[in-house]
Amino acid sequence: KQEVTQIPAALSVPEGENLVLNCSFTDSAIYNLQWFRQDPGKGLTSLLLIQSSQREQTSGRLNASLDKSSGRSTLYIAASQPGDSATYLCAVLNYGQNFVFGPGTRLSVLP
Amino acid sequence: EAQVTQNPRYLITVTGKKLTVTCSQNMNHEYMSWYRQDPGLGLRQIYYSMNVEVTDKGDVPEGYKVSRKEKRNFPLILESPSPNQTSLYFCASSPGGNQPQHFGDGTRLSIL
Repeated sequence: KQEVTQIPAALSVPEGENLVLNCSFTDSAIYNLQWFRQDPGKGLTSLLLIQSSQREQTSGRLNASLDKSSGRSTLYIAASQPGDSATYLCAVLNYGQNFVFGPGTRLSVLP
Repeated sequence: EAQVTQNPRYLITVTGKKLTVTCSQNMNHEYMSWYRQDPGLGLRQIYYSMNVEVTDKGDVPEGYKVSRKEKRNFPLILESPSPNQTSLYFCASSPGGNQPQHFGDGTRLSIL
């Protein structure tokens, strides 16, 4: 059964720092991996989607990488801002077309 | 505006009283899905549908039913709700499973 973990569970950084969030999964039979952002009391917003054949995706200050063989993905956030404060979740789409989410990393960016 | 709409947003009810949470999307998406989010357990998929009349179980389908009679709607049915189904529920849709998902704003259910 697919299991997804995220490290760290929580992170607090001063504004302007570059940071890395980690996601690991146990079964490499995936179609893709997605990173989401969740603000308190809100739904999830898709940030980046990496297909299983890709190594990385970039959007603005965000860069996500995928190493399917080792079961790892990282989300790199450059020049963090207070508006980046949120919970970040990764999710994998298994071959059975079902999604499995990680528990999330709660990020606080301090002004 | 492209959106996924869930109703109700909040509901407090009692054990055993059947309820339905509706989900509708206006993007002509084929893939729709229901999740529940619980503290310490994260998001877990309940059911998903790859197209009309096609539904499959996710990780936690017990106690739930779904139907997909039209492409835009994917209701979640709790035939006999129990307190352990108290949770925050999200509906999501995408053009296909291999594309970014769009999430609704969530439905907070409390079952007493």
